[in-house]
Amino acid sequence: GAVVSQHPSRVICKSGTSVKIECRSLDFQATTMFWYRQFPKQSLMLMATSNEGSKATYEQGVEKDKFLINHASLTLSTLTVTSAHPEDSSFYICSARGQGVIGNTIYFGEGSWLTVV
Amino acid sequence: GIQVEQSPPDLILQEGANSTLRCNFSDSVNNLQWFHQNPWGQLINLFYIPSGTKQNGRLSATTVATERYSLLYISSSQTTDSGVYFCAVGDYNQGGKLIFGQGTELSVKP
Repeated sequence: GAVVSQHPSRVICKSGTSVKIECRSLDFQATTMFWYRQFPKQSLMLMATSNEGSKATYEQGVEKDKFLINHASLTLSTLTVTSAHPEDSSFYICSARGQGVIGNTIYFGEGSWLTVV
Repeated sequence: GIQVEQSPPDLILQEGANSTLRCNFSDSVNNLQWFHQNPWGQLINLFYIPSGTKQNGRLSATTVATERYSLLYISSSQTTDSGVYFCAVGDYNQGGKLIFGQGTELSVKP
């Protein structure tokens, strides 16, 4: 089946620094990728839609200058949390929509645990 | 936007019991998926089921799109079934993003 890979799986950073999370589609091309955030004991909340070659579309209430998204190729999208603060500590997970033979199923990466200290 | 409600929020079962999880959604969708999130956070795709019925081992799912609900059946539950089950819906005409319900936390006791 289709595989989406995220890296790193866990990261600890100091308050005020920036951290980048990568999302790769390993065996298919993904024109669209999605970034979600999940706080403990809560559901997944969509942050933004990442479109290859164009600007990301952010959901209401998500700061686009804080959560920078780049989708430079058909297999890679990155999320950069800038000037991270402890309240940004969360589980971040990406997903990708396949094309063609992959069909319409949305596939998810393994997720990245971010801890800001 | 689309609202997704799952019930029950929590469920405790004895190993071997059967259960039914429900997902109601507020608008027409052309994508509905059920996921199992394990304790490490990984989302396991169980079913892609915008309509109809599918079965995979002890799990099966039914979506009645005209009545805007989906059911996930777990038979002969095992302790490894524990975790959170999410229903997520979407509309490809709106880009394909998925909106998640609040989940059902299942605990299967030995």
